[in-house]
Amino acid sequence: AQSVTQPDIHITVSEGASLELRCNYSYGATPYLFWYVQSPGQGLQLLLKYFSGDTLVQGIKGFEAEFKRSQSSFNLRKPSVHWSDAAEYFCAVDPGGGADGLTFGKGTHLIIQP
Amino acid sequence: DTEVTQTPKHLVMGMTNKKSLKCEQHMGHRAMYWYKQKAKKPPELMFVYSYEKLSINESVPSRFSPECPNSSLLNLHLHALQPEDSALYLCASSQGVSGSFADTQYFGPGTRLTVL
Repeated sequence: AQSVTQPDIHITVSEGASLELRCNYSYGATPYLFWYVQSPGQGLQLLLKYFSGDTLVQGIKGFEAEFKRSQSSFNLRKPSVHWSDAAEYFCAVDPGGGADGLTFGKGTHLIIQP
Repeated sequence: DTEVTQTPKHLVMGMTNKKSLKCEQHMGHRAMYWYKQKAKKPPELMFVYSYEKLSINESVPSRFSPECPNSSLLNLHLHALQPEDSALYLCASSQGVSGSFADTQYFGPGTRLTVL
């Protein structure tokens, strides 16, 4: 079955430390991949996306993600987190392209320790 | 500018009320979406409009009625809702490319709906 998995429900990181959030997908072909961030009670903000080409993509707020076809993964990274990065992070896929819906992972809640 | 606006921010309604949620974008996007998000859950797709025509309805109950009066505006009409319909309702828009080409969705801030 097609799915998006974010294995970590919660992650706690100290401020200034590095961060990696995991995302795995299960689709027949390479889907279009996205990372969104959601602060409490807010909408979703697009951090970055992968469509094709260079497998390391840069996003906003210092985030990057690496697409690894062999591992069906699209992990999000940041070298040094800030307290303002505390939020819910969603990995999403669009398996078919075009104007159809996104399928989201269950999300990872990021907690930043001072 | 990638702004999608939604009104109202908060809405409280009784089960017999009729209300509407509004979503607007001025990016020239031709696809618009409604998602429902329950607390501590990911968004779930409800409807997709492409070029002002309903293209996807994810088996949503008829008490939710979408409307796309023009390419910039998307409404969600609510009637006879149940308490379990309380959620954050998110609107999104995208260019609306056809076929298997990539399309990026931009989300609004959402409307927090409480049904009493």
